[in-house]
Amino acid sequence: KQEVTQIPAALSVPEGENLVLNCSFTDSAIYNLQWFRQDPGKGLTSLLLIQSSQREQTSGRLNASLDKSSGRSTLYIAASQPGDSATYLCAVTYTGGFKTIFGAGTRLFVKA
Amino acid sequence: DVKVTQSSRYLVKRTGEKVFLECVQDMDHENMFWYRQDPGLGLRLIYFSYDVKMKEKGDIPEGYSVSREKKERFSLILESASTNQTSMYLCASSLLFPGVKGETQYFGPGTRLLVL
Repeated sequence: KQEVTQIPAALSVPEGENLVLNCSFTDSAIYNLQWFRQDPGKGLTSLLLIQSSQREQTSGRLNASLDKSSGRSTLYIAASQPGDSATYLCAVTYTGGFKTIFGAGTRLFVKA
Repeated sequence: DVKVTQSSRYLVKRTGEKVFLECVQDMDHENMFWYRQDPGLGLRLIYFSYDVKMKEKGDIPEGYSVSREKKERFSLILESASTNQTSMYLCASSLLFPGVKGETQYFGPGTRLLVL
């Protein structure tokens, strides 16, 4: 069964700290892995998309890595800010049916 | 910018009512999706459509139906609402099919449905 798991479910850090969010997935037959941000009561916004042939993507203070062989991805946030407080979701699109499976998310709170 | 709008942000309905959730996208996207989001379960696909009048079941289609009469509009219908359908419903659209290089889905703000 194809599953996407995110750990931890919630995280609270002081402002300025560097942090890592984790995503693990079963089955390495993937097209891509994507990280989304969701603010309370809102829809999802795409942050980074990593194709299966890539190892990482960067955007500003965000860096996402992909290790297909181990079924893991990390989202690194540098110098966290209170505005980074949100839920971060990992989504994997698998081959064979073009199915996208979402993790349950990590709720991040950055304290000022 | 792609814009995906949903007809209601909050909705309260009674058990047994027929419920319509509307989604409209303004970027001429081929594909549209309906998900529900529940705490601890992530997003689960209910139905998707890759063309007008075309639909495919997702992982949890039971109790739901959909309609796509125009390219820009995708409706989710709860034929007889039940309390276990209380959830956050998210609509999304994409130009190309998931998995095509660089393709992403664009999400609406969601409709929080409470069935009493």
